[in-house]
Amino acid sequence: EAGVAQSPRYKIIEKRQSVAFWCNPISGHATLYWYQQILGQGPKLLIQFQNNGVVDDSQLPKDRFSAERLKGVDSTLKIQPAKLEDSAVYLCASSLDRGSYEQYFGPGTRLTVT
Amino acid sequence: SQQGEEDPQALSIQEGENATMNCSYKTSINNLQWYRQNSGRGLVHLILIRSNEREKHSGRLRVTLDTSKKSSSLLITASRAADTASYFCATVIQGAQKLVFGQGTRLTINP
Repeated sequence: EAGVAQSPRYKIIEKRQSVAFWCNPISGHATLYWYQQILGQGPKLLIQFQNNGVVDDSQLPKDRFSAERLKGVDSTLKIQPAKLEDSAVYLCASSLDRGSYEQYFGPGTRLTVT
Repeated sequence: SQQGEEDPQALSIQEGENATMNCSYKTSINNLQWYRQNSGRGLVHLILIRSNEREKHSGRLRVTLDTSKKSSSLLITASRAADTASYFCATVIQGAQKLVFGQGTRLTINP
């Protein structure tokens, strides 16, 4: 079974530039998550999709971050404009359904904002 | 804010010894999960324990849950160099179908 795919793996941009990350979840998984993990901390949930609808985006900085999950499969996360504090690893995860299911994580995208 | 707090923040032991990590949380949960993260394999789910369970085993892993104390522990027996990683507890809070991660314990197994 193929795992969660993410690209790119690494990205370096200057502040105020824009960047986009892509995620392809495990086939058949209804729920998709984007997390931000700052060095030395645990992952923090940014947004959660159930199929192609948003069910939780309470911690997404909506003035600069946006995300979509077209057709309930692939997802993109965008940052525009980026700030220095956005430097982190962005993890995508998927699960069969919401709640009491294990989540499968992709390898992440390491973003450095200079 | 973080729901779970792991203790200790860092742990270094000799190969073959047992490693114990603890997690405390603040609000009632549906379940608690432990994840491992290393540079080679990323973040991987280890074990899930439901709020009505007290203990669970998976290979060399043993997880306990005490809902009265709002705490959990992860025991790794007969540690190996490959167990070197960061370990995170994550909780699914009652009424909210999402995971909230703690800060993690960095475990180092010395040969």
